[in-house]
Amino acid sequence: DTAVSQTPKYLVTQMGNDKSIKCEQNLGHDTMYWYKQDSKKFLKIMFSYNNKELIINETVPNRFSPKSPDKAHLNLHINSLELGDSAVYFCASSQVGQHSYEQYFGPGTRLTVT
Amino acid sequence: RKEVEQDPGPFNVPEGATVAFNCTYSNSASQSFFWYRQDCRKEPKLLMSVYSSGNEDGRFTAQLNRASQYISLLIRDSKLSDSATYLCVVTKAAGNKLTFGGGTRVLVKP
Repeated sequence: DTAVSQTPKYLVTQMGNDKSIKCEQNLGHDTMYWYKQDSKKFLKIMFSYNNKELIINETVPNRFSPKSPDKAHLNLHINSLELGDSAVYFCASSQVGQHSYEQYFGPGTRLTVT
Repeated sequence: RKEVEQDPGPFNVPEGATVAFNCTYSNSASQSFFWYRQDCRKEPKLLMSVYSSGNEDGRFTAQLNRASQYISLLIRDSKLSDSATYLCVVTKAAGNKLTFGGGTRVLVKP
C-alpha cells in the first residue's frame, strides 16, 4: 500500500497556465507538507498543515495556494505558472509528537514549465 | 551563508571502503539533527537521527559536534547499494520544520 501518494507524477505545461497537484496519505498522520526541490537539489519547505490548519507558510509567491480538505489530503494549486516554477514538488506527512522529524515523502511531481 | 551546508561531492568510493563526510550548520539554536537518504529520482527517506553522544546503525555512524556546529556520517564497508545522495537535516526546536542541506552524493563503484 502506498503511504504517501501524489498525482500527477509528471506535469508539463506552458507558462501562464494554472495547475494543481494532489497529495494523499494513508498513515493516519496529522501533519502534511509541501516541499520544492529545484535543479540544484535543494529541498525547501513551502507549506505545512496540521489537522487542516496552516502552520508553516514560508516565503512563497502567492500564486501558490495549498488546500487541505481533510487531514489525509493536501493539494497544491499554482496560478500563472512561470519558468522558475519548474522543479520536483514533494508532499510529505508526519505525526506530531516525539518523532515528528520522521517525515514520509511521496514520490514527487516533476513539473516542467515551458 | 546557507543554514545547512554540505560538500556536494560526488565522493567516489571503492566497494568495501569507508567514506565519511560532514555537514555544517549556522544556527547555534539548532536542536535536532538527522541524515536522510535520497536515491536518484526518488523521494528522501530518514536514514538515522544524530545524537550528541554519537550513534551507530549497522555500517553507519553519525556524530555531532555542537562546539564546531557540524555533524558527520561515516559509512563502513561500502556497498553498491549505498550509492545515493545523503541529506543533512536540522531542526531548530522539537517541531516539524526540517531544514535540508543540499546533499552529498556518494557513488560506490566495484
